[in-house]
Amino acid sequence: GENVEQHPSTLSVQEGDSAVIKCTYSDSASNYFPWYKQELGKGPQLIIDIRSNVGEKKDQRIAVTLNKTAKHFSLHITETQPEDSAVYFCAALSAGAGNQFYFGTGTSLTVIP
Amino acid sequence: EPEVTQTPSHQVTQMGQEVILRCVPISNHLYFYWYRQILGQKVEFLVSFYNNEISEKSEIFDDQFSVERPDGSNFTLKIRSTKLEDSAMYFCASSGSGGTQFFGPGTRLTVL
Repeated sequence: GENVEQHPSTLSVQEGDSAVIKCTYSDSASNYFPWYKQELGKGPQLIIDIRSNVGEKKDQRIAVTLNKTAKHFSLHITETQPEDSAVYFCAALSAGAGNQFYFGTGTSLTVIP
Repeated sequence: EPEVTQTPSHQVTQMGQEVILRCVPISNHLYFYWYRQILGQKVEFLVSFYNNEISEKSEIFDDQFSVERPDGSNFTLKIRSTKLEDSAMYFCASSGSGGTQFFGPGTRLTVL
């Protein structure tokens, strides 16, 4: 089955700096890669996603890049703000496994004012 | 904006008791899911449900677990005889045909 690895597990940045979180996946059949933000005591909230036919997608301060050959995808947050502090999870959806998401282990991002 | 809702927000139960966790998915969605997150760990898939039957389940989803869509709006997860290790956050999610899954706020289950 699919195996998703995520790095780093914790990340601290100064407000205004950029943050990058990276994930790798193992199943070349995976074709959909969402990123979720989870604030304390809440459920994961979708912040951006990318499908395998696209290499990059951007939404204001958030961008995701996908390298299908290397089987990795990254989340980029620019001009970070304190409210960006949360746990971020990447996930991969394998076309051969129904609609089952495989999640990464999460990155705890702290933006220091 | 439509959202997935879950009740209760926190459930405390004694080991061996049955619990039912409830979810109301987004109204026009057709695919429903349950996930589990043990404190400090990753979100783990339990089961997916489509067209009134289970379409996929993980090895976590053993005979103690069952899901049901008793009416047109609710989607439930039942744990027949809870164990200490069932203590976790349980998230319901739903998706339409596009595949994007939207998560509810979760139910914190504590088994004593």
